[in-house]
Order: sequence, then C-alpha cells, then structure tokens
Amino acid sequence: EAGVAQSPRYKIIEKRQSVAFWCNPISGHATLYWYQQILGQGPKLLIQFQNNGVVDDSQLPKDRFSAERLKGVDSTLKIQPAKLEDSAVYLCASSSLPSGIAGEQFFGPGTRLTVL
Amino acid sequence: GQQVMQIPQYQHVQEGEDFTTYCNSSTTLSNIQWYKQRPGGHPVFLIQLVKSGEVKKQKRLTFQFGEAKKNSSLHITATQTTDVGTYFCAGVSGNTPLVFGKGTRLSVIA
Repeated sequence: EAGVAQSPRYKIIEKRQSVAFWCNPISGHATLYWYQQILGQGPKLLIQFQNNGVVDDSQLPKDRFSAERLKGVDSTLKIQPAKLEDSAVYLCASSSLPSGIAGEQFFGPGTRLTVL
Repeated sequence: GQQVMQIPQYQHVQEGEDFTTYCNSSTTLSNIQWYKQRPGGHPVFLIQLVKSGEVKKQKRLTFQFGEAKKNSSLHITATQTTDVGTYFCAGVSGNTPLVFGKGTRLSVIA
C-alpha cells in the first residue's frame, strides 16, 4: 500500500513569509497528525485530526499556525508569518485507529523548512 | 505536563557489541511505543508495549516495559551497521497524545 505522502520535501523562506505544507495520509486512515521535529529532538505533536474534526491542537501556536482537513482525507498546515525558530522538519502521520486508541503511526517523509 | 526522558543521548559502539537505551516518564503510562529514525529518514514504528512488566522480542531487539509502567528499555544484541539511527520512545498517559522522548542516536563502527 502507498505510504503517507507529503509535499514539498524542502522549503526555504525568509522570516515573516508564509508557507504551506500538504499531506495525504494512507487510504482509509481516519486519524491524521502533524508533528514538528526540531533538529536533535523528538517529534512534537502540533495537531491531531479524526476525520475532518480537530481532536487536539493544544500545542499548535495558533497565532501563526493553522491546519485543516476539510474533506477528512488530505490536510494542509500553514505558517503565517514564519519565524526563525520555525525551522524544523514537519512530519505528517496517520493511523487506522480512532483517536484515543494508541497504536502504530505511519509517518511521511516530512518537509524540511528553513527560515532565513 | 507529561515528560519522557531518554538516556543516553548518543551511543557509539563497535559492530557486534550490545546497545541499550532507557526511557523514563514523569507519569504512569498506559502504553509506550518505540520508533526508529534512520539518518535523513522519518520515524518508523517498531513496537508497542501495554502491560506492566511486558517483554517483547524482535530478532536481536528486546523491549521491556517496567512494572510501574513509568520506564522502558530497548536492548539490541550484537549490533550491526544496519542498526544505525535514532531510537525514540513515545508514551501515552491517560487521554494525552503520544509524547516522544529526545531519542538516543546510535552509531555503529564497523
């Protein structure tokens, strides 16, 4: 089966610019996650969707970050405006299990964002 | 909030030596997962432990979940160059989402 797809793979922008990332989860996976992974750290959850509803966005900096999953399939994560500290790899993951039931998460290749 | 700590941060071993990474949580976990991330790659799920004192094996990898469900370990016997990467533990406590540790980066010298 096809894995989690993400694009772009790399993005370089200047601070205060906007950027958007796209994720297409594994077919049939209802739960979708966006993580931020700063160099040398573990992934940090930004937002979790169950179908097209937000389950957890407690760690999403809502003044600059937004995410949506309008049709309950693919998702976009946006940063506006970007700051230097947003430089990181943004990972999308999906799971066949409903939120609240822990299990294997399948990660995409990630988007490496560099903010200059 | 929940914190997951891993030690060591780095480990360099000669090929054939054993390797162990330890994971400790500030809260009791309902389950713990382990992931491997190759250099330049993305995290790949290895295993999930749920029961107190649980031990699971995958070929040369042995995973343990502590009796108090606050710690876990991953042991690799006779490391190979293919074991190179960063090993993350990630825990779930109550209704909180998965929290990852900072990982242990393993280097294997041939």
